[in-house]
Amino acid sequence: DAGITQSPRHKVTETGTPVTLRCHQTENHRYMYWYRQDPGHGLRLIHYSYGVKDTDKGEVSDGYSVSRSKTEDFLLTLESATSSQTSVYFCAISRGRDEKLFFGSGTQLSVL
Amino acid sequence: GDSVTQMEGPVTLSEEAFLTINCTYTATGYPSLFWYVQYPGEGLQLLLKATKADDKGSNKGFEATYRKETTSFHLEKGSVQVSDSAVYFCALSENSGAGSYQLTFGKGTKLSVIP
Repeated sequence: DAGITQSPRHKVTETGTPVTLRCHQTENHRYMYWYRQDPGHGLRLIHYSYGVKDTDKGEVSDGYSVSRSKTEDFLLTLESATSSQTSVYFCAISRGRDEKLFFGSGTQLSVL
Repeated sequence: GDSVTQMEGPVTLSEEAFLTINCTYTATGYPSLFWYVQYPGEGLQLLLKATKADDKGSNKGFEATYRKETTSFHLEKGSVQVSDSAVYFCALSENSGAGSYQLTFGKGTKLSVIP
C-alpha cells in the first residue's frame, strides 16, 4: 500500500469551529489532492497541490483552504465548519499527470 | 468544463453474469481515462487506465476501451464474482495548465454480486 496517512480518521465538531485535516505521505509524490465523497455526487475535488507551496482550487473549494509547506504534508482547513461540510474526505497522491492516484483511507467528518 | 457521466446504480448481478458499466465523458482536449474501484470501508484504488484513443485498459478480468469517436470508456467483465461487489468510478484527467492537472470523477456505480 502507498504510504498515505490521514488524520484524524473520524471527527465530530460543531458548526462554526475551525477544523484541520492532515494528509501525510512517505512516497515523495509531487501531486496531492483533497476530495470529498458524498452520496449522489461521487468524488469532488476540493483543492490540489502540484508542489510545495503550489496549490490550486478544485470544483468545490468554497469554505476550504489548504497548505503545503513540505512535500509530505497537505493540510485541509475548514475555516468555519458548516453542516454541509459533513462528508468523507479523501486525500490522494500521484507522481504525475498520467500516473495513478493512491488514496488514503478517508476521514469521516460530522459537523453538528 | 470537463465532466464524466456514468450509469446510475445500483447494479445487482448474479455470480458469473456479464457486467457492463457505461461511462461517457466531455473534455476539451485529449484526456486520460481511468476506472477506480472502492471496496466497502476503503479508499479508491486504480482498476485500469487508458491514455489515448483505442487503448484498452485491463486488470483483474475487467476491460475498458478508450473510444474517442463516441467519447466513451465503458467497463466490462465477462464473469463477475461476489468479490467484485464495490463502487466503480469512471474518471478523466486533463491538463489544467501551469504544470498541473485535475482528475474529474463520475458519481460512481454500486455493483452488488449475489451468489
